[in-house]
Amino acid sequence: EAGVAQSPRYKIIEKRQSVAFWCNPISGHATLYWYQQILGQGPKLLIQFQNNGVVDDSQLPKDRFSAERLKGVDSTLKIQPAKLEDSAVYLCASSLMWGQETQYFGPGTRLLVL
Amino acid sequence: SQQGEEDPQALSIQEGENATMNCSYKTSINNLQWYRQNSGRGLVHLILIRSNEREKHSGRLRVTLDTSKKSSSLLITASRAADTASYFCATARNTGTASKLTFGTGTRLQVTL
Repeated sequence: EAGVAQSPRYKIIEKRQSVAFWCNPISGHATLYWYQQILGQGPKLLIQFQNNGVVDDSQLPKDRFSAERLKGVDSTLKIQPAKLEDSAVYLCASSLMWGQETQYFGPGTRLLVL
Repeated sequence: SQQGEEDPQALSIQEGENATMNCSYKTSINNLQWYRQNSGRGLVHLILIRSNEREKHSGRLRVTLDTSKKSSSLLITASRAADTASYFCATARNTGTASKLTFGTGTRLQVTL
């Protein structure tokens, strides 16, 4: 079974630029999550999708971050414009359905904002 | 916000020794999970313990949960160099249509030969 795929693996941009990350969850997984992990900290949930609907985006900085999950499969997370404090690893995870407790994580995208 | 606080922040042991990590949390939970993260990689699920369970085993892992003290511990027995990683506890709460995981700050484990 293929795992969660993410791209790119690394990205370096200057502040005020835009960036987008892509995630392909495990086939058949209805729930998809985006996390932000700042160096030295645990992951923080940004947004959770159930199929193509948002069920929790309470910690998403909506003035600059946006995410979508068209057709309930792949997802993209965008930052526009980026700030220095957005430097982090962005992790995508999926689970079979909400309440199915185990989440499967992708390798992450490491973002550096200069 | 980080729900869990882990202790110690860093732990260095020799191969063959046991490693114990502790996690404390603040609110009621449905279950508590432990994940491992190798340097530069994603997280891997290790074990889950439900709020009505007190202890659980999986291979060389033993997890305990004390809901009255809002704390959990992860014991890795007979550690190996390959166990070197960061370990995170994560508390799960089901709220309506969402199941939310909140991660702790992590314990960095170094196992030396």
